[in-house]
Parts: sequence; structure tokens; C-alpha cells
Amino acid sequence: SQTIHQWPATLVQPVGSPLSLECTVEGTSNPNLYWYRQAAGRGLQLLFYSVGIGQISSEVPQNLSASRPQDRQFILSSKKLLLSDSGFYLCAWRRSGGNYEQFFGPGTRLTVL
Amino acid sequence: GESVGLHLPTLSVQEGDNSIINCAYSNSASDYFIWYKQESGKGPQFIIDIRSNMDKRQGQRVTVLLNKTVKHLSLQIAATQPGDSAVYFCAELNNNDMRFGAGTRLTVKP
Repeated sequence: SQTIHQWPATLVQPVGSPLSLECTVEGTSNPNLYWYRQAAGRGLQLLFYSVGIGQISSEVPQNLSASRPQDRQFILSSKKLLLSDSGFYLCAWRRSGGNYEQFFGPGTRLTVL
Repeated sequence: GESVGLHLPTLSVQEGDNSIINCAYSNSASDYFIWYKQESGKGPQFIIDIRSNMDKRQGQRVTVLLNKTVKHLSLQIAATQPGDSAVYFCAELNNNDMRFGAGTRLTVKP
């Protein structure tokens, strides 16, 4: 069966510090991978998606970046965090090539102080 | 589009009553739809899906209805329980592009 992991589960970082959130998927190959941000009491905002190694598409301009160094690894980064980067970050994967459901990870709660 | 900047609409129901959560989708070409449930502090979880060639699909205590004429999707939960309290999102998929609705917060009163 497929599983998706995210870490860390929670993170408190000062403004201006760097960020690295990691997401890995097991039990599937060549998945589509996604990073979402969710502010408290709000909907899901798609940040990045990837259809393959090294292929990253950005949905919104921001100070975050994403990378996919391996087929089942997706990393969300920032060189300098802003207060507005606080939120709940969700990684998700979906099987490519058809109408399939999307599976979400457990999320990372980021607080920037 | 995505209503990520809006506060979630809320629905409050009595335990044991039926709940109906509605969603208006945006793309008439979307051919696959999903309902997700998100409990506090967790990632969204799949509840039920429906393809555009259907107008109704039933699961355990849940039913999804699809009205393509007015681009409307609904989730019906029978005999709502306290454990059903969560935020519910609809999602539409068209040509590998999945978009989520704003979500509805369901609160079940004992």
C-alpha cells in the first residue's frame, strides 16, 4: 500500500531563517506531487506541483521554492522566512495519467515568529 | 477558482440528523469529483468520489450527488455523528488539474 510522510510535524522558526520541509511517498512510482498551504480556517492553496524528477511548476509567486531530487521526494524550502509564511503545509500525491484521487500527508504546522 | 482567502462557511446539525454539504464547481469540463474530510490538525482524507457519467453514488452513510447542469455537487451524511465534525472539501479534476473548493465546517451538536 502507498503511504506519504511529512516532517517535521511542527516547526517554530524566527523571521529570516531558512526552511526545509520534506515529503516522501512510498509504494508507488512516478507520482504527481503537490505542496499546499492552508491558513487557519481557510481553504487549500496550491503552491507547487511536480510531474517528475526536477520538474517543478509554481502556482503563486512567493519566497518559497520546491525541489524534487528523487522520484518520491518533494522538498519545500525558503531562504528567508516571512511572518506570512506561517500556516499548515500539506504534501499530496496522485497517480499520474488519469482520474485518480489525491492522497494527503499529515501536514506540517509552521509558525514564524 | 480557489477561495483560499475566505473564512469557511459553517453548518451546525444535531446528532442523528442528516447533513447536506454543498459545493459549486467552476469547470464544466471537469469529469471527476471527490469529497474530502479534514479533521483539525490533520491532512484531508478521501470520503467518496463520483465520475461525470454518474449523478449519484452511495457509500457507507454518505451519498454524493452531481448536477452537471448547474455545476453543483453535494455530500449527504446520514445520521450525523460527533465524529463527523470536520471541514469538508470538494475537489474537481479536469485533465490532470485538480482544484479544491473553499470547504465547509460541519459541527455536530450532541
